[in-house]
Amino acid sequence: GEDVEQSLFLSVREGDSSVINCTYTDSSSTYLYWYKQEPGAGLQLLTYIFSNMDMKQDQRLTVLLNKKDKHLSLRIADTQTGDSAIYFCAETYNFNKFYFGSGTKLNVKP
Amino acid sequence: EAGVTQSPTHLIKTRGQQATLRCSPISGHTSVYWYQQALGLGLQFLLWYDEGEERNRGNFPPRFSGRQFPNYSSELNVNALELEDSALYLCASSLGLETNTGELFFGEGSRLTVL
Repeated sequence: GEDVEQSLFLSVREGDSSVINCTYTDSSSTYLYWYKQEPGAGLQLLTYIFSNMDMKQDQRLTVLLNKKDKHLSLRIADTQTGDSAIYFCAETYNFNKFYFGSGTKLNVKP
Repeated sequence: EAGVTQSPTHLIKTRGQQATLRCSPISGHTSVYWYQQALGLGLQFLLWYDEGEERNRGNFPPRFSGRQFPNYSSELNVNALELEDSALYLCASSLGLETNTGELFFGEGSRLTVL
């Protein structure tokens, strides 16, 4: 549905892990996504998870999905300064509409 | 291969005027989505076109309209501009109903400023 919520800011030190959280309201969502937006650029897909999965790992990225609580998280291991960006979670039921959160601005301090 | 391209990059208009924004999808993509990204509000869904037809629209007034051309490019028209229409307008394309994952490919956006 239309209510996809994220915290607005996260600040971590280089080398630490970052965890970005997202809650959504539509229990019929079939795909959930994490997009990254770097300054002056459009959004780029980082990873996605199908609703029948609990976890997906892709190199430094780990996505956890808790369908019961409608909670999605993105963990970035060994966060680098190049990971500084805005991260959006998004969900869709049937590719008809995609609902995006307001974005979490990740600041990585050296 | 060229990505999604949007024009103009920046546009300045005054209240009451009309704005037209354009989007060229990735070659082979039939779906085009338009989103408004206003400061602090995330992405708000505006319109979805697929195969030349408007398939869905978000909760925006009718002065937001658009169309998709036979070559799948699209334009977004905003009539009777208001100050709160100032935002980054993002276009995204996808394979439409042929998609397996629903991945959207975004352009860099058109920044509309209404004075």
